[in-house]
Amino acid sequence: TQLLEQSPQFLSIQEGENLTVYCNSSSVFSSLQWYRQEPGEGPVLLVTVVTGGEVKKLKRLTFQFGDARKDSSLHITAAQPGDTGLYLCAGAGRTSYGKLTFGQGTILTVHP
Amino acid sequence: ETGVTQTPRHLVMGMTNKKSLKCEQHLGHNAMYWYKQSAKKPLELMFVYNFKEQTENNSVPSRFSPECPNSSHLFLHLHTLQPEDSALYLCASSQGYRATEAFFGQGTRLTVV
Repeated sequence: TQLLEQSPQFLSIQEGENLTVYCNSSSVFSSLQWYRQEPGEGPVLLVTVVTGGEVKKLKRLTFQFGDARKDSSLHITAAQPGDTGLYLCAGAGRTSYGKLTFGQGTILTVHP
Repeated sequence: ETGVTQTPRHLVMGMTNKKSLKCEQHLGHNAMYWYKQSAKKPLELMFVYNFKEQTENNSVPSRFSPECPNSSHLFLHLHTLQPEDSALYLCASSQGYRATEAFFGQGTRLTVV
């Protein structure tokens, strides 16, 4: 069974601060996705990383896939209140077609 | 229209009721999924359909019965549910069941009383 451990579970910071969310596993994933979910809504895909060591940037968000494709991180620079939400990582195995393994999520609150 | 639409958004049902959740995707995808999201637990995959055929049943109790009449529509029929089944039920689609990116609907918040 593939598991994804996400940390921290809760993060409460002030506007302008930087933060990093981690997603770790003992399993190798063929790709890893990051989603953001707001209360009462479904998860929205932010990015997919596929290659070990890959770094992708989305404005103030930087995503990295570990060299061994077992872990990933999400770094937010100068957080804003609009970044508040639940951040989820999800991994796809090489043969687990259509079956994403999700982490427990990180609830981020950015205070003005 | 949004890519994946779920109805209803909220549902309260008694343990003896029968209800159905509906999902429709307008993305031209071939695979559709039902996920369950409970408090303090990771999203749990329930069912996977690829070209209308069920390819995965993740040990879901028979009180949940999926139906996929075509690649654009997915239903989840509910009967004799338990209070612990209260959760956010999310529908998702992907281009094919080998695709790794899922696009989610807004979910149905289900409360069983």
